[in-house]
Amino acid sequence: AQSVTQLGSHVSVSEGALVLLRCNYSSSVPPYLFWYVQYPNQGLQLLLKYTSAATLVKGINGFEAEFKKSETSFHLTKPSAHMSDAAEYFCAVSEMPGGSEKLVFGKGTKLTVNP
Amino acid sequence: GAGVSQSPRYKVAKRGQDVALRCDPISGHVSLFWYQQALGQGPEFLTYFQNEAQLDKSGLPSDRFFAERPEGSVSTLKIQRTQQEDSAVYLCASSPQGMRTDTQYFGPGTRLTVL
Repeated sequence: AQSVTQLGSHVSVSEGALVLLRCNYSSSVPPYLFWYVQYPNQGLQLLLKYTSAATLVKGINGFEAEFKKSETSFHLTKPSAHMSDAAEYFCAVSEMPGGSEKLVFGKGTKLTVNP
Repeated sequence: GAGVSQSPRYKVAKRGQDVALRCDPISGHVSLFWYQQALGQGPEFLTYFQNEAQLDKSGLPSDRFFAERPEGSVSTLKIQRTQQEDSAVYLCASSPQGMRTDTQYFGPGTRLTVL
């Protein structure tokens, strides 16, 4: 079964600084990977997804992620943090074909942006 | 724009009561998922429907949990004889075609508190 590990349950950056949120996955088949953002008392919103096309994926709000098979990683980055980026971020992997298309999520990383 | 809606948004139940949580997916979406999100954790899969067929219920924690989608649109998650450990946010998501590459669109969730 697939699994996802997000290193760092809390990340704090200054406004304008680089954002780096780490995600490593475990999968015995080529994975499909997703990053979602969750604002307080809201559902999850897709930031970007990797579905075996380009390894560098660009998403909404200036975020991007790079799929690195050799490192089994899919880290999320943004060059310059904005106050509105403060939220919780979840990395997820899609379950194997043949089963349901359920997502397996990491435990999340809470991003704080300091003025 | 009609996204995924869930009702009620908040539910307080006394231990032992039955509860029913409703999900209205995006119109025309084939797949519907239920996830459970405990405090400070990532969402965990409960069950999955493709149209009216429940194809995967491997994540349901006990036989007290039951889900249905009788006409392939609205879904209800029912929890019988609620326990304190059932306290969580219950998220519903829908996707267009039931493919691994699909984006899952999430509702705002129902926060269940069992006293």
